[in-house]
Amino acid sequence: NAGVTQTPKFRILKIGQSMTLQCAQDMNHNYMYWYRQDPGMGLKLIYYSVGAGITDKGEVPNGYNVSRSTTEDFPLRLELAAPSQTSVYFCASSYGGLGPTDTQYFGPGTRLTVL
Amino acid sequence: KQEVTQIPAALSVPEGENLVLNCSFTDSAIYNLQWFRQDPGKGLTSLLLIQSSQREQTSGRLNASLDKSSGRSTLYIAASQPGDSATYLCAALLGGGSRLTFGEGTQLTVNP
Repeated sequence: NAGVTQTPKFRILKIGQSMTLQCAQDMNHNYMYWYRQDPGMGLKLIYYSVGAGITDKGEVPNGYNVSRSTTEDFPLRLELAAPSQTSVYFCASSYGGLGPTDTQYFGPGTRLTVL
Repeated sequence: KQEVTQIPAALSVPEGENLVLNCSFTDSAIYNLQWFRQDPGKGLTSLLLIQSSQREQTSGRLNASLDKSSGRSTLYIAASQPGDSATYLCAALLGGGSRLTFGEGTQLTVNP
């Protein structure tokens, strides 16, 4: 299994541009998550999905959109990129939700710079 | 506001030393606490998960403990090795259980 994969690994955007960060998992997990990690900070949840067709906001959803048309894929869309969105973005998945024994599996991350 | 904090932010030790990383959380209504390892340019790897009904978990040279009453968890690494050098993050599933709350991480360097 490839686990959780993310593309691209690096990207530089100009202010106002848009882009989609791709995330895929091959573990047949129901739950998928998008986090951002700013330098020296912990991860903050942007959006999550409990299954195909179902998404919900996390702690910091402003400026982002998501969709979940299949179990495997969970793309994150940035509209009108701003310097405040410069960060490292991680996608994660888990079989169950936030139960007492559920562990999340993380992708390698996408490092995004907005200039 | 629910918070998770980790002290110290960075730690440097000689090879072979036993060490403890600390994690504190503000809500005693905790469902579980996880410790992750993050290598540069890589994602997070889950090391240990402690359920709220447990007091500790062990995996090889790693031992994690959970004290709900004091709002603390510790990650003990025995006989540290240079390969243990990484950033260690703790994450708590706190009261309400809607999301994991992450600490800022402790960057560990083990010197040969």
